[in-house]
Amino acid sequence: DIVMTQFPDSLPVSLGERATINCKSSQNILYSSNNKNYLAWYQQKPGQPLKLLIYWASTRESGVPDRFTGSGSGTDFSLTINSLQAEDVAIYYCQQYFITPPTFGGGTNVEIK
Amino acid sequence: QVQLVESGGGVVQPGRSLRLSCVASGFTFSSFGMHWVRQAPGKGLEWVAVISYDGGYGTNEYYPDSVKGRFTISRDNSKNMVYLQMNSLRPDDTAMYYCAKAAGYQPLGADAFDVWGQGTMVTVSS
Repeated sequence: DIVMTQFPDSLPVSLGERATINCKSSQNILYSSNNKNYLAWYQQKPGQPLKLLIYWASTRESGVPDRFTGSGSGTDFSLTINSLQAEDVAIYYCQQYFITPPTFGGGTNVEIK
Repeated sequence: QVQLVESGGGVVQPGRSLRLSCVASGFTFSSFGMHWVRQAPGKGLEWVAVISYDGGYGTNEYYPDSVKGRFTISRDNSKNMVYLQMNSLRPDDTAMYYCAKAAGYQPLGADAFDVWGQGTMVTVSS
């Protein structure tokens, strides 16, 4: 199985500042035939369904604010939230869908400093 | 409105069985794979099962080793329903169970999940 390692576990950020979450896969998840990274990012808030934010490592899901940016390739990825808003307080997960079983990172808890 | 609603959770003794259900609405259910993902209290996300869409050659199902042989996923396209039959339940199966729609980025098996339900809680305890 591909192991997804996220860091940090907790990330206190001031309102309006930038938050960067890192995610590392134990194997390359870039498929050379289509040059796509099989990585997604999700947001989890209490009492709400999980929300897909980013797929193909950097493609924003429809309706996701452009302050959310995904980047990286191969084994190293990041999710950046520019100008953190109060509604961005949540746990964020990365996930690879390169091979079965799909696996998730352990989550990063973004909170207001 | 695209929506998934799970039901069927509860408290069950170790070794017993439970069947979870998920009803889908707002999209062409028969055209997409469907997954179950679980989250133990205070823990991260663990994929549990997938059933592919029926492309005319039947469906395919996959499971991680942790539930293989104990859990069975199935679907009823006429009712827009997906099910998870859980047998021989263990205390470490205690979790919130989420139904999730495959985004369609892979033909079967692993995929991203673009729609999630609110979850149904399963507690395995004597």
